[in-house]
Amino acid sequence: AQKVTQAQTEISVVEKEDVTLDCVYETRDTTYYLFWYKQPPSGELVFLIRRNSFDEQNEISGRYSWNFQKSTSSFNFTITASQVVDSAVYFCARCDLTSGSRLTFGEGTQLTVNP
Amino acid sequence: SQTIHQWPATLVQPVGSPLSLECTVEGTSNPNLYWYRQAAGRGLQLLFYSVGIGQISSEVPQNLSASRPQDRQFILSSKKLLLSDSGFYLCAWRPPDRLNTEAFFGQGTRLTVV
Repeated sequence: AQKVTQAQTEISVVEKEDVTLDCVYETRDTTYYLFWYKQPPSGELVFLIRRNSFDEQNEISGRYSWNFQKSTSSFNFTITASQVVDSAVYFCARCDLTSGSRLTFGEGTQLTVNP
Repeated sequence: SQTIHQWPATLVQPVGSPLSLECTVEGTSNPNLYWYRQAAGRGLQLLFYSVGIGQISSEVPQNLSASRPQDRQFILSSKKLLLSDSGFYLCAWRPPDRLNTEAFFGQGTRLTVV
């Protein structure tokens, strides 16, 4: 099975620190989509960003930025000047265009931002 | 606008009892539907997906089954729950003709089997 790997199980930082969450994926497809979701303690999944395999432009949205490197099959997520409200589990996911276009998720990274 | 409803939010069931979790989507037609499970402290595991009425694909062998009796209704069932069925169950949908969009998730059901 083609996996999505989030090697960092837990990360703990102090407020205002920058933090990068790593994501490495496997794929045999030339066209695919990548996503990041946030899961706060309440449990719902909050969509953050999607990226298609043809667009390697990095993206910035406020304190969030994403670095997509096709050559290394990585799609890393950086939070600048972290805040306590950023504490959550963050999931990286890849979309398979076959098999019902399901999303395959990584195991998630638990981010704790301490005041 | 499209919405997804999932219920109940919390469920405590004894071992050996049946299970029925329901998910409905409003505001769209022929969505792709998914059931995921999240065990405590773990990632999201895809259990079932459906691309149409009566079409169910199972990702892992288990004690659960799924059905899609109507276009926008997706049901997760079990005849006899096991302790290992405890977890957080999430229903999701995606539009079939826009494969580059994200999946939209329900609020989830926290199931505890005792």
